[in-house]
Amino acid sequence: GAVVSQHPSRVICKSGTSVKIECRSLDFQATTMFWYRQFPKKSLMLMATSNEGSKATYEQGVEKDKFLINHASLTLSTLTVTSAHPEDSSFYICSASQGQTDTDTQYFGPGTRLTVL
Amino acid sequence: GENVEQHPSTLSVQEGDSAVIKCTYSDSASNYFPWYKQELGKRPQLIIDIRSNVGEKKDQRIAVTLNKTAKHFSLHITETQPEDSAVYFCAARFTGGGNKLTFGTGTQLKVEL
Repeated sequence: GAVVSQHPSRVICKSGTSVKIECRSLDFQATTMFWYRQFPKKSLMLMATSNEGSKATYEQGVEKDKFLINHASLTLSTLTVTSAHPEDSSFYICSASQGQTDTDTQYFGPGTRLTVL
Repeated sequence: GENVEQHPSTLSVQEGDSAVIKCTYSDSASNYFPWYKQELGKRPQLIIDIRSNVGEKKDQRIAVTLNKTAKHFSLHITETQPEDSAVYFCAARFTGGGNKLTFGTGTQLKVEL
């Protein structure tokens, strides 16, 4: 149980285009989903918290107009990187939890490797 | 906000030896401390977690200890095996932060034959 998928696993795009990444909880309903960014050999940096049916909460320094997050259902959240540039190249990972309490486990997706040319 | 420090950044042990990774956190109200294992290019996987009302938890070769007074927690892996080689991240969740986790900087563990 507690399986989270992400699609696509890898994407290469041209500078200036937009890329959408999907995060799905396959066998549970995820009230909350999180989007992280991870640079090579670095830790996970939280970008935003996504709650179903409401606006995402972005971390300080993360541009909400550049990283659009939608959590339209209890099993799907999407991250759209708009007008992507080479510096946006990174490993993007989502996680999902069933509730909003302080002790709910986060389960991670397999990640999406984004390369912007 | 919450700050989590993790040491060491790299750790090399011989197969069969024990490995210990330590983390400290800044917010005394933190109440949940998971540990994740991440292999290269893969997702972080939860290996063990501990809540603030418990001082120690063990699962086969893996154990976690928590010292709330000192605000630090540690991961202990006994009888290490080559497949334990990976990056390990500690994390902390502080009360009032919703369900957010703050991650440590990671420890690259290498188990040598």
